[in-house]
This record gives sequence, C-alpha cells and structure tokens, in this order.
Amino acid sequence: QVQLMQSGAEVKKPGASVKVSCKASGYSFLAYPIHWVRQAPGQRLEWMGWVDAGDGSTKFLQKFQGRLTLTRDTSANTAYMELTSLRSEDTAVYYCSRFRYWGQGTLVTVSS
Amino acid sequence: FLLTQPHSVSESPGKTVTISCTGSSGSIASNYVQWYQQRPGSAPTTVIYEDYRRPSGVPDRFSGSIDTSSNSASLTISGLKTEDEADYYCQSYDSNNHWVFGGGTKLTVL
Repeated sequence: QVQLMQSGAEVKKPGASVKVSCKASGYSFLAYPIHWVRQAPGQRLEWMGWVDAGDGSTKFLQKFQGRLTLTRDTSANTAYMELTSLRSEDTAVYYCSRFRYWGQGTLVTVSS
Repeated sequence: FLLTQPHSVSESPGKTVTISCTGSSGSIASNYVQWYQQRPGSAPTTVIYEDYRRPSGVPDRFSGSIDTSSNSASLTISGLKTEDEADYYCQSYDSNNHWVFGGGTKLTVL
C-alpha cells in the first residue's frame, strides 16, 4: 500500500534551517509530484509547494521564495523540504502529500 | 483565489450534514475539488477526490458534488456517526496550479 513516512520532530533556534524527509513506498515514485503542506497550531492547512519526482522541477508559494528548497532522491524514493532562516511563525506540523495520500506529519518547533 | 467554508457545523447522530466550499472567482467547476478529514492530532486523510470520487475504504455515507449556480462544492455526510467528528478541508487549484485550501469546517456530532 502507498505510504509516505516522514522524519521525526525537530526543535530549532530562530535563524537556523530545517530539512524534513518524506520516504515513499508502495507506488512508482516517479509518477507523482510530492506536495508540502504545513499547519501552524490551531490554523488551516497551508500549501507550500511541490517537487516533480520525475524531473525535479519545483513550484512554490511566493511567500517562501528564497527560503524554501524542495528536492528529491530518486534512488531512495525520498523527497526533502528544507526551510531556512526560521522564525517563530514557522512553528508548525509539516506534511508531505501525494495525490490522495499524506505523510504522518513532522512537528517543527522554532524557539530560542 | 480563495475557498470559503463555514467555520463550524453540528448535527445529531444518524442525521445528514452538508459542508459547503465556495470559490471566490472563476468557475469552481474548472478544477477538481478534494475534501480532507482531519481528526485532532492526526494527519489529513482524503475522503473525496476529483469532486465526487471516494477512495477505497471511505464509506459511501460520504459524497461530494459541485453546484455551478452557487460556485460551490459540497461534502455531504449521511447517517452521521460520532467518529465523523473532525475538521474538514476543501482543496482546489489556483491559476498557477497551486493548491488552495479552504479555512476548514469543524464538524460536531452531538
């Protein structure tokens, strides 16, 4: 069955970077883009961007321009989301998602 | 492009509830709409995709529809059960093919 398994929770200081992984299994990794969605405490879901698992091209919201990098490793069937210059407002659960399927989420806490 | 949902709805067990998702511009029928269920402390799960399709394992009590006259999508849950209590989000696409989410609707089954 399709599974998206994310890396564990992270605690970071303001200004630091975080890299979250999303390992896919149960389907052809190259066939679907991987989307990244975050949810701040008590807030709505917010789409951040996606990476095309086939050719590695990316699209993301303008608000993350310059801070967000989305990559994938086809040999490991894994997608990565790296967010830099972290601030307290980036505290959220980060999810990877493929059409119809979601990872379990990774809590990223930004605190001094 | 915005999707607007009611903040909350409530209904009794066994009844039917409908959650709306209204598009701010253009035709909501131009792009597919998905619906996600999110229970407290859990990741979202897909209950409807491509406007009305149900993933395997989702009960047929869940149905989706599009109403072009009101530029809205709807999620209808019949025969409500206490386990249906959750937040529900609609999702579609903007002109750049970016995902757009509604604000979420908290369903209370009481």
